[in-house]
Amino acid sequence: QKEVEQDPGPLSVPEGAIVSLNCTYSNSAFQYFMWYRQYSRKGPELLMYTYSSGNKEDGRFTAQVDKSSKYISLFIRDSQPSDSATYLCAMSALWYGGATNKLIFGTGTLLAVQP
Amino acid sequence: DSGVTQTPKHLITATGQRVTLRCSPRSGDLSVYWYQQSLDQGLQFLIQYYNGEERAKGNILERFSAQQFPDLHSELNLSSLELGDSALYFCASSVGGSDRAHEAFFGQGTRLTVV
Repeated sequence: QKEVEQDPGPLSVPEGAIVSLNCTYSNSAFQYFMWYRQYSRKGPELLMYTYSSGNKEDGRFTAQVDKSSKYISLFIRDSQPSDSATYLCAMSALWYGGATNKLIFGTGTLLAVQP
Repeated sequence: DSGVTQTPKHLITATGQRVTLRCSPRSGDLSVYWYQQSLDQGLQFLIQYYNGEERAKGNILERFSAQQFPDLHSELNLSSLELGDSALYFCASSVGGSDRAHEAFFGQGTRLTVV
């Protein structure tokens, strides 16, 4: 079993829809939870990260972490064609001194927002 | 532009050969991380260097090695290349002087094709 599971999609939605992307994980030591956006043939771009449980909002994006269920979500409101990309979740455990030094990635969900 | 520079962008080489991938981190970042992205394995952490010293190791093959130089640029050396080594190789660097992988910025990657 992989440490991080993510539905690969593809997910196709009309413009303006609310998108929900999800990951589950098995390692209870994970403390940092990240969402990346990756356009074709480009490097991953950090959208936001959350420490421990809770919600975080940044513009049209909201990240949620439920550590009791080992489940994280990314919601995109008012989705735009420019949001079409692969979305990767990633997680990290704390190291000594509070550092984090490696990310465990999900396989990514391919999202297509249709105009 | 993340500020992380990777060269070359593309590399085509034959099996059995050796190649060197180069990464220049963002100004001021002391940590460099290497990741491999392949279709079947997704994004996998290979190795981290912090201020010239190896800090953490992931799923890095013995045929692969890395180093970080005094000017903080890093090189990933891949030897005895096999077809299965064909992948995107990403370098990331993290903010300031700490190893904070959850805030790392990724370069655009080097696409390696082994023929």
